[in-house]
Amino acid sequence: DTGVSQDPRHKITKRGQNVTFRCDPISEHNRLYWYRQTLGQGPEFLTYFQNEAQLEKSRLLSDRFSAERPKGSFSTLEIQRTEQGDSAMYLCASSLPDRGTDTQYFGPGTRLTVL
Amino acid sequence: GDSVTQMEGPVTLSEEAFLTINCTYTATGYPSLFWYVQYPGEGLQLLLKATKADDKGSNKGFEATYRKETTSFHLEKGSVQVSDSAVYFCALGPSGGYQKVTFGTGTKLQVIP
Repeated sequence: DTGVSQDPRHKITKRGQNVTFRCDPISEHNRLYWYRQTLGQGPEFLTYFQNEAQLEKSRLLSDRFSAERPKGSFSTLEIQRTEQGDSAMYLCASSLPDRGTDTQYFGPGTRLTVL
Repeated sequence: GDSVTQMEGPVTLSEEAFLTINCTYTATGYPSLFWYVQYPGEGLQLLLKATKADDKGSNKGFEATYRKETTSFHLEKGSVQVSDSAVYFCALGPSGGYQKVTFGTGTKLQVIP
C-alpha cells in the first residue's frame, strides 16, 4: 500500500495560465476526492468521484475548474486562466467504503502559487 | 449545514504536559468523526476516528470519544512530546447523503522542551 500520491508537489504559474494536477489514489479505492486548503484554514471540499463518475461538485468549483477520472483510477484537476485567488494547497484523498464506514486517506498535496 | 468548531490556537505546551483540543460539531444524521494531523509541509494524516456514539478512537497516545449528547469529539493526550507539534483538524465524516468531509479550521500545537 503506497498511499495516495500527487504530482507535482509544487507549481508556480503566472496569472492566466492553465495548470493540471494529477492524483493517484490507493489502489482498489473506488472513491476519489479533491479538496482545497488555504493558509490557516481546514480543507474545503471541491469534488468527488466514485469510479469514473463525478457525483458531487462544490459551489467552490467554478467553471474554470474541471476534474476527470477517465478510467476510474488516477484523476486530474485542471484550472484554466488561473487567478491569484487560486493560490492554495490542492489535496486529493481516496477511500473504499467498508461496512458502513468511509475513511478518506489524503495525499501530500500540490501547492499552487499564482503570480 | 454540517459544521465543525474547534478551539483556536496556537496552543503552546511544555513537554509531558496534558493536552486537550476541543471540538464540537453540527450534523445531520450520524456521521463518523475524525482527527487528522498535519505536520509542517506535509499532507493530512488520519490520527484517529470514531464511527458511532460512545466510541473511543485512539492512536499514538491520543484519544477522543464520540459524545452525541454534547456533540463533541475532544482530542486528549496525557503527555505530549516535541514531535507532536503540528496542526490538528477535527473533521465530520460523510452524512446526509453527501460524501464530503467537513473540517474545522485547525488548531496549531507547539510543544516546547
